[in-house]
Formats: sequence, structure tokens, C-alpha cells
Amino acid sequence: AQKITQTQPGMFVQEKEAVTLDCTYDTSDPSYGLFWYKQPSSGEMIFLIYQGSYDQQNATEGRYSLNFQKARKSANLVISASQLGDSAMYFCAMREGLGGGGNKLTFGTGTQLKVEL
Amino acid sequence: EAGVAQSPRYKIIEKRQSVAFWCNPISGHATLYWYQQILGQGPKLLIQFQNNGVVDDSQLPKDRFSAERLKGVDSTLKIQPAKLEDSAVYLCASRPTWTDTQYFGPGTRLTVL
Repeated sequence: AQKITQTQPGMFVQEKEAVTLDCTYDTSDPSYGLFWYKQPSSGEMIFLIYQGSYDQQNATEGRYSLNFQKARKSANLVISASQLGDSAMYFCAMREGLGGGGNKLTFGTGTQLKVEL
Repeated sequence: EAGVAQSPRYKIIEKRQSVAFWCNPISGHATLYWYQQILGQGPKLLIQFQNNGVVDDSQLPKDRFSAERLKGVDSTLKIQPAKLEDSAVYLCASRPTWTDTQYFGPGTRLTVL
């Protein structure tokens, strides 16, 4: 079974609008972390936001917020006020266990976001 | 603060040749990772170092891939001999001890002909 599922291979959004990128995960570990990374065409993976499994509140970082629904095992990324520079591939990733020495990330297949004028 | 550095950025080789990639992590980051990202997929972990020791190399094809991190700083990843299916982007990431977040370099795009 896939540990991280991103069901939207491609998304379009108009500039200045909000967009939600879906991510569901599968783990039996009570301690885990969820990450979103942005990968522009240049190839570098840019860290956007992190949510720990024990965090009570949804994470926010500027225009990025993570809609964490633990019971549904979903961790959707919301980008508000989209900009042309947001056009990129977006990856959801999970770290299982308590972190520290392990800390291996499992990535989804990504969602290609295109922001249009 | 300087980010993770990788070189070369691009490499084209023929199958059965050997190739090496270099990574310099963010200063002070004890943990270093090598990922392989095949076109259309997410990155897959190849090997993880903690200082100069290997923590996880369970997905490293050890018959052809090798990696080292001498002195717990820079790291090299080698493929010998390369196969067509090794064509991918090889990403290096590093992580400080006080956070779960990994910081990635720009990657090396390998094409095997």
C-alpha cells in the first residue's frame, strides 16, 4: 500500500485565488511528521511546511497552511493568493517514528501546479 | 547561511561507465541523505549518514552504488557500472539535530545513454 497518496497529478489555479493540494497518508505509527516541499523546474526541493502528529493546531507559514485531519489521515496543503511563482511540482512526504536518528522521508508522486493569469 | 551544495549539476555518460556525485551539506548538519528521483516520481532514499556512519542503506543497490562521508562533512555517491535505469536526479539533503526538516541541494541530473 502507498504510504503517501497524492491523487492530483496536475492542478490549475488563477492568480490570486486559493488552491488546495491533496495528500493522504497511511501509517500505524502514532508518532509521525508530515511535510510539503515545492520543486520548481530548476530541480531543488524547497521546504514549505511541517505538521507533527501530536500538534494540536494546523501549521501555517505565510501563504501556506496545512489542513491536518488526523482521523481521515489527510494533510492537504492550502496556498492562499496564488502567484505565478507558485507554479511548480509539490510533494507531500511523511516521517514515521519519533524522528531523530531514523527520520527517513517517504514521498508521494507529486502534484504539478500551474498558476495562470 | 549557505545551502546544500552539489556537483556536477548535469552529467551524461554511457552505460557501463562510472560516475561520482559530490555533496557538501549545510555547516553543522550531522545527518546527510542521498535520494534518487526518477522522472515523474517522488524522491526515494538511497542512504542516510549520521556524521560519518551509515544509518540506513537498505535501498541502496550495493552491487553498483557506493557512498561515503569521510570526516562527517562532504559526501560522495558513486555508480559503477551505470545502467540505463539509473537515469534520474540525485538529490542530497542535510538535517540539523534539532529539527525533522531536511534541506535539499539543487540535485545532479544524470542521463545514462
